[in-house]
Amino acid sequence: GQQVMQIPQYQHVQEGEDFTTYCNSSTTLSNIQWYKQRPGGHPVFLIQLVKSGEVKKQKRLTFQFGEAKKNSSLHITATQTTDVGTYFCAPVTDSWGKLQFGAGTQVVVTP
Amino acid sequence: DSGVTQTPKHLITATGQRVTLRCSPRSGDLSVYWYQQSLDQGLQFLIQYYNGEERAKGNILERFSAQQFPDLHSELNLSSLELGDSALYFCASSVDTGRTDTQYFGPGTRLTVL
Repeated sequence: GQQVMQIPQYQHVQEGEDFTTYCNSSTTLSNIQWYKQRPGGHPVFLIQLVKSGEVKKQKRLTFQFGEAKKNSSLHITATQTTDVGTYFCAPVTDSWGKLQFGAGTQVVVTP
Repeated sequence: DSGVTQTPKHLITATGQRVTLRCSPRSGDLSVYWYQQSLDQGLQFLIQYYNGEERAKGNILERFSAQQFPDLHSELNLSSLELGDSALYFCASSVDTGRTDTQYFGPGTRLTVL
């Protein structure tokens, strides 16, 4: 079946620094969604990528879908304490919208 | 607030018991998804319903079952509980059941099996 690997598993970032989390698939993806889960909270939808090479920005967050549609990345610039949480990539695996969540990248921000 | 409600918020029970978790989707959403989140397994898809019918199954144990009622709320039934069933159970809903639909997650039910 489809395997999704998300790296790194943990990311300690100094406030103000940039970081990137990656999501890699063994198969070509139709589309991929990204979610954020704050500590003690529930996953919240961030973005969806559909097209090959697509890049979308949300303020300090930049999401990218690889040309081969096998990988995706989330880049955060000038990290703030509000960025704390776990970021999940979630490829859509069937026509009914079923998501397969990656293991997530847990982000800790130090002031 | 996503608009998805889940009850109860916390549930503590003993091994061998049976529990029912309830989910009310956002107004107008026809699809309901159930997920299990544990420390060692991450966020695992269990099952999906669309307008009362089962649409997709994931890693759901035979001891677990779910249904979606005519008013679109859903229940997840967990029976013969084991210690390893302790986890956060999330329900999510979406408008339809397409590839590009956004899923809105509820606050979750934390199940502790003692």
